[in-house]
Amino acid sequence: AQSVSQHNHHVILSEAASLELGCNYSYGGTVNLFWYVQYPGQHLQLLLKYFSGDPLVKGIKGFEAEFIKSKFSFNLRKPSVQWSDTAEYFCAVARGSGGYQKVTFGIGTKLQVIP
Amino acid sequence: DVKVTQSSRYLVKRTGEKVFLECVQDMDHENMFWYRQDPGLGLRLIYFSYDVKMKEKGDIPEGYSVSREKKERFSLILESASTNQTSMYLCASSPRQGGREQYFGPGTRLTVT
Repeated sequence: AQSVSQHNHHVILSEAASLELGCNYSYGGTVNLFWYVQYPGQHLQLLLKYFSGDPLVKGIKGFEAEFIKSKFSFNLRKPSVQWSDTAEYFCAVARGSGGYQKVTFGIGTKLQVIP
Repeated sequence: DVKVTQSSRYLVKRTGEKVFLECVQDMDHENMFWYRQDPGLGLRLIYFSYDVKMKEKGDIPEGYSVSREKKERFSLILESASTNQTSMYLCASSPRQGGREQYFGPGTRLTVT
C-alpha cells in the first residue's frame, strides 16, 4: 500500500532559522508530489508541486522542495523562516494514470516560528 | 479563483442520525474528494469521484457513502452517525489532468454526541 511519511510532527524554530521538512513515500511508480500548507483558521492551499522536469521546484513565499527519485523523497526547505510561516504542512503523493489519481497525504508537520 | 464551498462549518448530530455533508465547486472540475482530518492522523481519504455518478473508495470508507448526481456537487453521507465519526471533514476538487493540485473547501467540523 502506498504510504507517505513525514518525519517531523512538530517543529519549533526561531525567526531567520532554516527549515527542512522531510517527506518520503513508498510507491515506486510514476508519482506527482505536492506540499500543502494550512495556516491557522484557513483552508489547505498548495505550496508547491512536482510533476516532471527540474527536480528542484520553487513555490510561494520562498519555499522550495527537491525531488530525489532514488531516495523516494520530496523534502521541503526554506532558508529563513518568518513568524507568518507558522502553520501545518502536509506532503501529498498522487499516483495513477491520466486524471484518475489517488492522492495520499502524510500526517502533517506543525511548524511554530518564535519571533 | 476556484471556489469549493461546504454546506456547514459546524454541525452537531446525535448518535444514529443520518448526516449529509454537501460540497459544491464552481470550476467544472471532474475530480472531487472527501477527507477527514484528525490530529496526529493527517488527512485520510474517504471517497473520491472522477466523474458524475462514479465513485471510488478511499482508505477509510467504512460507515460512509457518497453521491455525485451533478458534476459540481459531491455529497458525503453518514448513514448512522457514531461518536468515532466526530472529525473535521474536508472536501476538495481537481481537474482531470494528471499532476494538478486539489482545491480545498473550508471544512465541516462534525461533532456526534
